[in-house]
Amino acid sequence: EIVLTQSPGTLSLSPGERATLSCRASQSVRNNYLAWYQQKPGQAPSLLISGASSRAAGIPDRFSGSGSGTDFTLTISRLEPEDFAVYYCQQYGRSSLYSFGQGTKLEIK
Amino acid sequence: QVQLVEFGGGVAQPGGSLRLSCAVSGFTLSRYGMHWVRQAPGKGLEWVAVMSFDGSDDYYADSVKGRFTISRDNSKNTVYLQMSSLRVEDTAAYYCARDPGGWYIAGYFDLWGRGTLVTVSS
Repeated sequence: EIVLTQSPGTLSLSPGERATLSCRASQSVRNNYLAWYQQKPGQAPSLLISGASSRAAGIPDRFSGSGSGTDFTLTISRLEPEDFAVYYCQQYGRSSLYSFGQGTKLEIK
Repeated sequence: QVQLVEFGGGVAQPGGSLRLSCAVSGFTLSRYGMHWVRQAPGKGLEWVAVMSFDGSDDYYADSVKGRFTISRDNSKNTVYLQMSSLRVEDTAAYYCARDPGGWYIAGYFDLWGRGTLVTVSS
């Protein structure tokens, strides 16, 4: 099983600032099959990024994903009030052995 | 309007059973693989099971293998999760989620339902 470790656990920033969230895999993620999700309190997760860097439909371009192999990053260029939420990375490089990171909480400073 | 709605959650005793349903609308279910993902209260996400678009293949997390069964009825636009031999640690919100791969299982989730809560307690 591929273990994903997200850092930091909590990130405190202000609207307008840049957020950088990290996801590190215990082994290389095949074909960079890495997705990012956003989850707001009381809601289901929603897809932001797939294939490490492809934004899902309707996702603003302030969200960007990068990385390869074992190290991946989600960047939010300028935080909007609605961006404060929990973010999860997920690898799907190993068929039927899908795993998530433990999450990064992005909170308002 | 594309929608996934789960129902069937509730309280079950350890060792008991429960069946969850996920009704979909706004897209053709028979063209997509479907997953179940769960989230224990205050915790992170855990993938549970997936079934291919036509029901020919299904896969499970080790934590539920042999106890949970995913199935689907494309004519009823519904996906199911039969849960047996329930344990306290199965307590979670259960989400159904669409796989965008179509005829193959991509392994990630582009649409999610709102979830249904399962509580296993004596």
